[in-house]
Amino acid sequence: EPEVTQTPSHQVTQMGQEVILRCVPISNHLYFYWYRQILGQKVEFLVSFYNNEISEKSEIFDDQFSVERPDGSNFTLKIRSTKLEDSAMYFCAGVSGQEDYGYTFGSGTRLTVV
Amino acid sequence: QKEVEQNSGPLSVPEGAIASLNCTYSDRGSQSFFWYRQYSGKSPELIMSIYSNGDKEDGRFTAQLNKASQYVSLLIRDSQPSDSATYLCAVAWGDGNKLVFGAGTILRVKS
Repeated sequence: EPEVTQTPSHQVTQMGQEVILRCVPISNHLYFYWYRQILGQKVEFLVSFYNNEISEKSEIFDDQFSVERPDGSNFTLKIRSTKLEDSAMYFCAGVSGQEDYGYTFGSGTRLTVV
Repeated sequence: QKEVEQNSGPLSVPEGAIASLNCTYSDRGSQSFFWYRQYSGKSPELIMSIYSNGDKEDGRFTAQLNKASQYVSLLIRDSQPSDSATYLCAVAWGDGNKLVFGAGTILRVKS
């Protein structure tokens, strides 16, 4: 069964540094999402991406964050000037948009800011 | 603010019993509803999607939707210890059809 692939699985970074989280969606997915989950808390929506542009973003997704689909396959989340409170699991997800669809999540990247 | 509410649990059931998980949502206009299972430290895994009022069955799982009451439930028959996990209810909203998640219900199946 096709999978959404995320790299790295775990990243440790110093406060103030920039990180790039990468995702390879399933080939027939048209809509892409980033979510995060702080330890012990809800899965929170960050941003949705369709047709090479942001379709919706949450209030969490401020100027510190950006998304790109640089080569038509990979989908990246960049976090500039990381803060301690950015420590979380970050999940990429995709959906095909077809009937009876389901959103498929990647295995996640655990980001630890020290 | 769109809300999805779940009882955090833990819900403890003996092996072989039926586990019943419940969820309410705030937006009457919502059309798409999902149940995900999440093991500790892992990503959400889709169990069921439901779009119409009534029941939808898939193996040991049955999702129930009542749009008038803004209520979604998941029944797990013949519960197994491997079903022990956090169950997340999610509702799709907005132009980008983002998922809004509840906080999840912890299910413990005792052997």
